[in-house]
Amino acid sequence: QKEVEQNSGPLSVPEGAIASLNCTYSDRGSQSFFWYRQYSGKSPELIMSIYSNGDKEDGRFTAQLNKASQYVSLLIRDSQPSDSATYLCAVRVGGYQKVTFGTGTKLQVIP
Amino acid sequence: EAGVAQSPRYKIIEKRQSVAFWCNPISGHATLYWYQQILGQGPKLLIQFQNNGVVDDSQLPKDRFSAERLKGVDSTLKIQPAKLEDSAVYLCASSSRDRANYGYTFGSGTRLTVV
Repeated sequence: QKEVEQNSGPLSVPEGAIASLNCTYSDRGSQSFFWYRQYSGKSPELIMSIYSNGDKEDGRFTAQLNKASQYVSLLIRDSQPSDSATYLCAVRVGGYQKVTFGTGTKLQVIP
Repeated sequence: EAGVAQSPRYKIIEKRQSVAFWCNPISGHATLYWYQQILGQGPKLLIQFQNNGVVDDSQLPKDRFSAERLKGVDSTLKIQPAKLEDSAVYLCASSSRDRANYGYTFGSGTRLTVV
């Protein structure tokens, strides 16, 4: 079982819709959870972090964490074509700040 | 604050040649990471330094890859000899210990093509 799993997509949503990206992780001791956005040919960029069960909102982005189900998600409201990118889920395990990434979900926002 | 600096941006080499990448982390960041990202995959941690000591190098192919971080600042990653499957983007990132829970910042990466 992979440590961090994501559906590779592509996930296509119309402009203005809500995009829902999902991620599961295997280590119950995981402590911190991150979403990175990566445009084609660019480096990953941190957009959200979450540490406690529940929701965390930042502008159009909402991260959701359910540790019992080992599940973390990212919602993007009012999706824009500029949101088209690959979204990487990342999980911090252990006490030495090691972060493990999933393979990413490609999001396409259709104008 | 200045970001993570990496060089070169691009490198094309023939298989069995050697190559080196350089990274300068954000000033004051004690932790430095090298990741390998193969096209279509997520970044994979190769090595993690805390100051100039190695914390994790479990996924570093030590028969061909080496890395060092002298004086706890700049770092170099070397591949010798390179194989075709080493074609990837090599990403450097850094973080400060007290902000570990806030994720970290990547450099622009070095795209390596082995032919």
